[in-house]
Amino acid sequence: AQSVTQLDSQVPVFEEAPVELRCNYSSSVSVYLFWYVQYPNQGLQLLLKYLSGSTLVESINGFEAEFNKSQTSFHLRKPSVHISDTAEYFCAVDNTDKLIFGTGTRLQVFP
Amino acid sequence: DTGVSQNPRHKITKRGQNVTFRCDPISEHNRLYWYRQTLGQGPEFLTYFQNEAQLEKSRLLSDRFSAERPKGSFSTLEIQRTEQGDSAMYLCASRQTTGHLQETQYFGPGTRLLVL
Repeated sequence: AQSVTQLDSQVPVFEEAPVELRCNYSSSVSVYLFWYVQYPNQGLQLLLKYLSGSTLVESINGFEAEFNKSQTSFHLRKPSVHISDTAEYFCAVDNTDKLIFGTGTRLQVFP
Repeated sequence: DTGVSQNPRHKITKRGQNVTFRCDPISEHNRLYWYRQTLGQGPEFLTYFQNEAQLEKSRLLSDRFSAERPKGSFSTLEIQRTEQGDSAMYLCASRQTTGHLQETQYFGPGTRLLVL
C-alpha cells in the first residue's frame, strides 16, 4: 500500500529565509506526487505536481520540489519565504485514482 | 467557471440528527471525490464517482454514510444519526479523466461539520 510521511508537523522560519518541507513516500509502483497548500478556513490548492519527465518541478510562486526515486522523497523548497506563505502544506501520492495525503506541515513565517 | 463549490460551508448539529452536504464540481469534470479531514490530519479518501457511478468506497465510510451523484453532475453526502466523531471538514474534489497522465484534482472550500 502507498503511504506518505511528512516528518515535520511545524516549521517556523523568519521571512526571507529559505525553507524545506520534507516528504517521503512508499510505493511499489510508478508514482504521481503532489504538493497542496491550505490556507486557514479554505480548501486545498494545488501547488505543484510530478507526473513524469524532469525530476525538478516548480510552482508560479517560487516553490520547487524534486522527485528523488532512490530516496523516495519529494521535498518542497523555497529559497526565500514571505509572510503570505504561512499555511498548511500537504504532500500526496496518487494511489489508483485517489489521493493519499501526509499529515501536513504547518509553515509559520515570522517577520 | 467558478471552480468546485460546496454547501453549506458550516453545519452545526446535535448528535443523532441527519445532515446532507452538497458538492458542485467543475462542469466538465467526470470524476468527483469526497474526503474527510479531521483536526491536525491530512484529508482521507471516502469515496469517488465516475459520472453517476460510485466506483470505490473507503472503509471509513460506515453504513451511516451515503453518497450519490444521480445525474453525474452534483453530488450529495448524507450522514445519518450523526456522532461526535463525525465532526470534521468534508472536502469535495473533481477532475477530468483524459486517459493519459493523472490530471489534477481540484478541491472545493469544504463543509465544516460540528456535532454537539
